[in-house]
Amino acid sequence: GEDVEQSLFLSVREGDSSVINCTYTDSSSTYLYWYKQEPGAGLQLLTYIFSNMDMKQDQRLTVLLNKKDKHLSLRIADTQTGDSAIYFCAETLYNNNDMRFGAGTRLTVKP
Amino acid sequence: EAGVAQSPRYKIIEKRQSVAFWCNPISGHATLYWYQQILGQGPKLLIQFQNNGVVDDSQLPKDRFSAERLKGVDSTLKIQPAKLEDSAVYLCASSRVRNYEQFFGPGTRLTVL
Repeated sequence: GEDVEQSLFLSVREGDSSVINCTYTDSSSTYLYWYKQEPGAGLQLLTYIFSNMDMKQDQRLTVLLNKKDKHLSLRIADTQTGDSAIYFCAETLYNNNDMRFGAGTRLTVKP
Repeated sequence: EAGVAQSPRYKIIEKRQSVAFWCNPISGHATLYWYQQILGQGPKLLIQFQNNGVVDDSQLPKDRFSAERLKGVDSTLKIQPAKLEDSAVYLCASSRVRNYEQFFGPGTRLTVL
């Protein structure tokens, strides 16, 4: 199974906030990432957070990290129809070459 | 700067046939990755190159998959012979250094019949 877990689906109305959650199992993860994948396209890095941070904000995106619970979330403010995509959470370890991905959360934004 | 290029975008083959995918990373990126993304799953790392050397190929099914990056720039991934379970999108990514921001190509969608 996946080391990184995400819920599979999320549906919101345009203009609302979206919160996508992720749990990971390796406490020694150093970087945690959020990627966006649109249909037929590769993965686009949205943001990342270093494990010694609690929060990172970048325009409409807010990442929260609860290292005690190994929980990562991505909040998208004022969600737009163009935000509809699959969002992947991923982690890397400092001495490990492997970037491990969750199965992805499909975000649907309804007008 | 130009992104990661991959070709072909789509490939349909029959089982037991061979197939090859090509990737050209972003100029100056030393690290190149090949991922396999099965429908409904996240990408899984197959192999990682640092320049023209293999850093990690622990999850590459070496009985049928091979990859090379001879001049430390572009790379090819080959499957010989293909099985039905190889149907997936094969993503190539590159980064300036290891474990830093990875830029992904659009992927090659492989269907094995």
